[in-house]
Amino acid sequence: SYELTQPSSVSVFPGQTATITCSGEKLGEKLAYWYQQKPGQSPVLVIFQDNMRPSGIPERFSASISGNTATLTISGTQAMDEADYYCQTWGSSTAVLLGGGTKLTVL
Amino acid sequence: QVQLVQPGAEVKKPGASVKVSCEASGYTFNTYDINWVRQAKGQGLEWMGWMNPDSGNAGYAQKFQGRVTMTRNTSMRTAYMELSSLTSEDTAVYYCARVWGRCGRTSCPPSDFWGQGTLVTVSS
Repeated sequence: SYELTQPSSVSVFPGQTATITCSGEKLGEKLAYWYQQKPGQSPVLVIFQDNMRPSGIPERFSASISGNTATLTISGTQAMDEADYYCQTWGSSTAVLLGGGTKLTVL
Repeated sequence: QVQLVQPGAEVKKPGASVKVSCEASGYTFNTYDINWVRQAKGQGLEWMGWMNPDSGNAGYAQKFQGRVTMTRNTSMRTAYMELSSLTSEDTAVYYCARVWGRCGRTSCPPSDFWGQGTLVTVSS
């Protein structure tokens, strides 16, 4: 079955750039969305339509998609960005497909 | 402002059913679909299905087909997710989320607003 694969964890120092990947067959032919979830909180949409940010999401969040991989980039990472991040697209037989999530640690 | 309000917690015995509510405010309820997503403790997000509040149509993840039913009461601006034949593996936080538009048979737009979640505990 179609799956989205994310690294389980990514670490970055404050001020550096964090990169979180999401891989799936022919992902470049679809749209990818990204959510941020902090401990004890509900998920928050941070990227839609491949690289659009909802109101209130800082400009340091950006995304791209190419081939089989979607990438979420956080430039100038801050301590407040420490969270779990999930990608979303759709599959051949499912309207919503979620990645397994990546824990971002700001060292 | 858009709000989705869910009850805080439910406790059920194995074999029972649970019906979780999601009361919407701050937007036209019938215009946006509702997704249901659950998350077991320490685990990732798991999509369960979507529901169109206008038509009442719903689409379910294959894993939950036959065990989940998503409905709504438009006069109360409330969506419901009922899960039957509960086991301990169904213990999780259940979220409702507004879909930014309409889901189709094969794809859904992203979810732009989420409820605070309902902790469903299945225990004898």
